[in-house]
Parts: sequence; C-alpha cells; structure tokens
Amino acid sequence: GNSVTQMEGPVTLSEEAFLTINCTYTATGYPSLFWYVQYPGEGLQLLLKATKADDKGSNKGFEATYRKETTSFHLEKGSVQVSDSAVYFCALSDLGAYGNKLVFGAGTILRVKS
Amino acid sequence: GAGVSQSPSNKVTEKGKDVELRCDPISGHTALYWYRQSLGQGLEFLIYFQGNSAPDKSGLPSDRFSAERTGGSVSTLTIQRTQQEDSAVYLCASSSLAGRGEQYFGPGTRLTVT
Repeated sequence: GNSVTQMEGPVTLSEEAFLTINCTYTATGYPSLFWYVQYPGEGLQLLLKATKADDKGSNKGFEATYRKETTSFHLEKGSVQVSDSAVYFCALSDLGAYGNKLVFGAGTILRVKS
Repeated sequence: GAGVSQSPSNKVTEKGKDVELRCDPISGHTALYWYRQSLGQGLEFLIYFQGNSAPDKSGLPSDRFSAERTGGSVSTLTIQRTQQEDSAVYLCASSSLAGRGEQYFGPGTRLTVT
C-alpha cells in the first residue's frame, strides 16, 4: 500500500539556520503531496502542497518540490525562526472510491533555539 | 462555524467502558474524516464520510470502533469496551469539493484509557 517515510527527529537548529526535513513516499498512481504542521497545543494545519510532478509548494518561507523520479518531497526553509518549532508531517493523498484520505509519515519534531 | 470543533477535548475512561467522541465539521463541508494519532502508530486514517454515500471504514482497527454521521453534519465516533491501546488523540477533519478539497482538522480529543 501507499506509505510515507520521513526523517526521524528531533531536529534541533539555531535561529537563522537552514532546514531540510526529508520525505520519501511509495504510491501507486499520482498522489498529491502535503506538509502539515502541528504547533504546540494546536491542531494540524496544512503548510503547503503539490499536486503533480515538478510542482513546488511554498508557504511562510517553507518550500517543497514534488520529485517523481526520486519519489521525494523534502521540506526546506532558508532561515528558521524560534516560532517554527513544531512537529512537521509529510503526507500523501490516497484517492479512494470516494475521497482523499491522507497517509502520513511519522512526524519530525523541530526545535529552534534562539 | 469558524472551524472544526471536537468534544470533549480530554476524556479519561476505565478499561472496558464505552466512549463517544463528537465532531462538528465546518458548515457546508460534505466530507468528514476521522484519524487517530498515537505514539506507537503515528497518524492513521480511521473512517471517511462523503454526503449520503456509504462510509469508507477501511481504517477502523477493530469491530469495537464505529462511527456515524447524522444529517450529513455532526459525527460521533464510538469505541466499545475500551482497551489501553485505544489511548490516543482522535482527530476529525472536514473538506469540501466532495472530499477532494483541503482537509481542515479539529483540535482533537485526547483519550486516556486507564
């Protein structure tokens, strides 16, 4: 079945450092890919998405490119802030007969120190 | 409403008791999803409702779990004879566009089975 693998954390960075969180997927067909973020004490929020190969999703300085040849969707940010500390989930959409259930990776905790 | 709401926010129950968790989706969203977030299993899909169609129950872990959606709006997830491994955060999400739109998540219900 479809699956998502993302790098284990926690990832600890200093403010203004460069961030990469790796994500690879296994899927039949052509899923859409997502990054969700969960800030402390809050619910899951969509951070960015890409719906087809070579698409780049971006939001709040984060970006990720849908790479079909490497089945990857790595999350990057050029300069992290303390407020980026959160858990990041990579996910793909598994289009079934009806809808769009999400298959998630295990999540990566990001801690940014000032 | 402003977003997806869930109740209760926290529930502690004794092993063997039944529990009901409630989800109020965003008004007008026809699709509703339940997911479970636990330490051992990460984020897992449980069940999906779309309009009046039969739900996709493929993610329910056992026949102790059931869910219904009344009037195409509010949903209740019921766990019978709870076990300690049912302890998790239960998340609800809703979306428009017959389930193909962005999923908006509620804050979750944290269930602890003692």
